[in-house]
Amino acid sequence: GNSVTQMEGPVTLSEEAFLTINCTYTATGYPSLFWYVQYPGEGLQLLLKATKADDKGSNKGFEATYRKETTSFHLEKGSVQVSDSAVYFCALSDPNDYKLSFGAGTTVTVRA
Amino acid sequence: GAGVSQSPRYKVAKRGQDVALRCDPISGHVSLFWYQQALGQGPEFLTYFQNEAQLDKSGLPSDRFFAERPEGSVSTLKIQRTQQEDSAVYLCASRLAGGRSYEQYFGPGTRLTVT
Repeated sequence: GNSVTQMEGPVTLSEEAFLTINCTYTATGYPSLFWYVQYPGEGLQLLLKATKADDKGSNKGFEATYRKETTSFHLEKGSVQVSDSAVYFCALSDPNDYKLSFGAGTTVTVRA
Repeated sequence: GAGVSQSPRYKVAKRGQDVALRCDPISGHVSLFWYQQALGQGPEFLTYFQNEAQLDKSGLPSDRFFAERPEGSVSTLKIQRTQQEDSAVYLCASRLAGGRSYEQYFGPGTRLTVT
């Protein structure tokens, strides 16, 4: 079956630091990959996505590249801000399926 | 525009009570999903509707869980004879159509606490 494994948190960073959250997946097909973010007190929002190998998703300074050879979709941001404090979820959707399979989430706290 | 809304936002139920959780998807969205998110975990799929048809209910944890979407818009997730292990946040998401390029939009969730 499909599964997603992401880096355990919590992660605490200083402002302007570099952020990486590792995500690897197992899928029977050729999935689409997503990063969702949940800010305090808010619902899940799509941060970025990639639908095929070597695609790079990007949004709000965050990037992730779909690596089929390593079955990975690591999230990166070069300079984080306090406003990036949130829980980040890696997820996949199999092309023969429609439901999302999520990782356990990584809590990121950015300190001024 | 209006997003996905869910009500109530918080629900406390005594063990054994029945509860009903409501989801109002984005207008015109064909697909609707329910997920269950336990504390400290990622959401887990419960069930999926395309219009009024429930196409997949494989994630429902027991026959105490029932979902419906009779007119293809609003959906209700019902849990009968609630147990403590049902305590979780229940998330609803809607999507315009099928296909890998369509995004799922999530509601704020209903936090259910069973005492």
